[in-house]
Amino acid sequence: AQKVTQTQTSISVMEKTTVTMDCVYETQDSSYFLFWYKQTASGEIVFLIRQDSYKKENATVGHYSLNFQKPKSSIGLIITATQIEDSAVYFCAMREGTGGADRLTFGKGTQLIIQP
Amino acid sequence: DAGVTQTPRHEVAEKGQTIILKCEPVSGHNDLFWYRQTKIQGLELLSYFRSKSLMEDGGAFKDRFKAEMLNSSFSTLKIQPTEPKDSAVYLCASSRGLGANTGQLYFGEGSKLTVL
Repeated sequence: AQKVTQTQTSISVMEKTTVTMDCVYETQDSSYFLFWYKQTASGEIVFLIRQDSYKKENATVGHYSLNFQKPKSSIGLIITATQIEDSAVYFCAMREGTGGADRLTFGKGTQLIIQP
Repeated sequence: DAGVTQTPRHEVAEKGQTIILKCEPVSGHNDLFWYRQTKIQGLELLSYFRSKSLMEDGGAFKDRFKAEMLNSSFSTLKIQPTEPKDSAVYLCASSRGLGANTGQLYFGEGSKLTVL
């Protein structure tokens, strides 16, 4: 069975710095997809970035990037030049297989606090 | 396009009552998911549909939780009878599905249920 673990429950950093959030996963599938989602204080959950397991290059979108270490089953989220509005809860998620529905398993989330 | 719409946003129920939560997915999306979010358990998948067909009916949740998708643009989650431990935020999400393999879920704002 698939499992996603985020060990950091809360992180606090100063504005304009770089932060890394950790995530490790377990899967028996040879092909899978990894995601990060953000939940704001209002409760809204939005998709941020995705990594396909067969791709060696780390995905990058805006000031979000991933550190994909496949041998370690690890997918870290890196946020550079953090802003106050990056304060939120960040969820790591995994989708197994290449067919079927977008059935995601989520980690329990890491709360990020950006201090001015 | 409108996003995922959930109603009601807040619901207070007495123990033993029946409650029905409603969801309208993004127009044209084929997959629909119901998640429950609590601080302790995080995001737990309750049920999901692919092109209106129920693909997963909630495992441990199936005895009192019943999700239905009456048409491609409307789904309900019935909890009967409610128990205090059901207090949580219930999130509906949709995705394009049908091989799009994006893993990009669009979430509604959630229905916060409090069972007294």
